[in-house]
Amino acid sequence: AQTVTQSQPEMSVQEAETVTLSCTYDTSESDYYLFWYKQPPSRQMILVIRQEAYKQQNATENRFSVNFQKAAKSFSLKISDSQLGDAAMYFCAYGGGSNYKLTFGKGTLLTVNP
Amino acid sequence: DGGITQSPKYLFRKEGQNVTLSCEQNLNHDAMYWYRQDPGQGLRLIYYSQIVNDFQKGDIAEGYSVSREKKESFPLTVTSAQKNPTAFYLCASSMIPQGGQPQHFGDGTRLSIL
Repeated sequence: AQTVTQSQPEMSVQEAETVTLSCTYDTSESDYYLFWYKQPPSRQMILVIRQEAYKQQNATENRFSVNFQKAAKSFSLKISDSQLGDAAMYFCAYGGGSNYKLTFGKGTLLTVNP
Repeated sequence: DGGITQSPKYLFRKEGQNVTLSCEQNLNHDAMYWYRQDPGQGLRLIYYSQIVNDFQKGDIAEGYSVSREKKESFPLTVTSAQKNPTAFYLCASSMIPQGGQPQHFGDGTRLSIL
């Protein structure tokens, strides 16, 4: 079974600075996808970024980028120029391969200090 | 605008009572999912449906039931057999039932015990 581990329960960053959230996963599959979701205080889950395992190039969405290390089974999220609106719980998730479902980590609570 | 609508936003259950959480989507997605979120936990899959009139148990299906009579609708019933139902419930959908597909989420329902 796939597992997803987020080792940082909480992180904080100063506004305009850069922060990196860690995620590791365990799988025996070669074809899969990885996601970062954001859950602000409103509780709605919002897709931040998606990475296909077969692509070596790291995904980027504006100020959000990932560092995907397939051999190390690591998938970290970098947030550049942090803004107050980035404050949220961030979940790393694994999907694809032979499975229909997403497997989520326990989340990292990000605080952005003005 | 297309999206997922969950209702009600807050729900209270009495002992021995069954309650039903509504989930409706107008995204024309084939697959729909129900997750449970507890404090300090990631999302755990309760049930999922790949297509109308079909659904499968997720990781924590005991005490829950679902139906999928229409493509747009995937209601979740929390039965009296679920002894610890207090949690935040999220409904999601994806275009096709494949783990690599991004899932779109509703705003959630918070269920509490009276």
